[in-house]
Amino acid sequence: QAVLTQPSSLSASPGASASLTCTLRSDINVGPYRIYWYQQKPGSPPQYLLRYNSDSDKRQGLGVPSRFSGSKDASANAGILLISGLQSEDEADYYCLIWHSSAWVFGGGTKLTVL
Amino acid sequence: EVNLVESGGRLVQPGGSLRLSCAASGFTFSTSEMVWVRQAPGGGLEWVSYIGSGGVIIHYADSVKGRFTISRDDAKNSLYLQMNSLRAEDTAIYYCVREQADCFDFWGQGTLVTVSS
Repeated sequence: QAVLTQPSSLSASPGASASLTCTLRSDINVGPYRIYWYQQKPGSPPQYLLRYNSDSDKRQGLGVPSRFSGSKDASANAGILLISGLQSEDEADYYCLIWHSSAWVFGGGTKLTVL
Repeated sequence: EVNLVESGGRLVQPGGSLRLSCAASGFTFSTSEMVWVRQAPGGGLEWVSYIGSGGVIIHYADSVKGRFTISRDDAKNSLYLQMNSLRAEDTAIYYCVREQADCFDFWGQGTLVTVSS
């Protein structure tokens, strides 16, 4: 089982909100982990969006709009990227990342379609 | 302005070797932590290796451990990745990335490595 699992795709309408999940393997408790989120558009390298561990330990990327926010769902053992007020330019691949067992681990990515 | 420019990617046969370079500018390279991240064609992101400032602390992904070597030359503001015993599954775009305060905040445009006979 992969360390981080993301749904392969998600669709949402312009103006709506999208919740992208990053589920940790069942033997890894999301509690102490910082979850990092990256956005990648076709033909470009990824861009850092934000980091979330708790409301007192979070960091927004430089120039990243506040409509991108992070949270955790302890019951689902998952990190969440919430994008509110969806815009067509938000259509992209989104990756989560954690530092685990002396290695950086990416999730498989979610392709967000805005239509 | 931070700039990272990778070079060295090309077509190489399985079992071959390749050395990637990354030229850094616009920031204090010597005090920066750096990583390599790769992305297979049409695939997701995979962290490859990390090197701390000073080059003392180094980490590798299990998939490349024993075959790849990361290094840096602070006098040349350059990061390197020596790749040996290359396999088809190493085919990917390799990105040079600055890690600052736990964040991969600046990425190069990447260099394509293709391993094929």
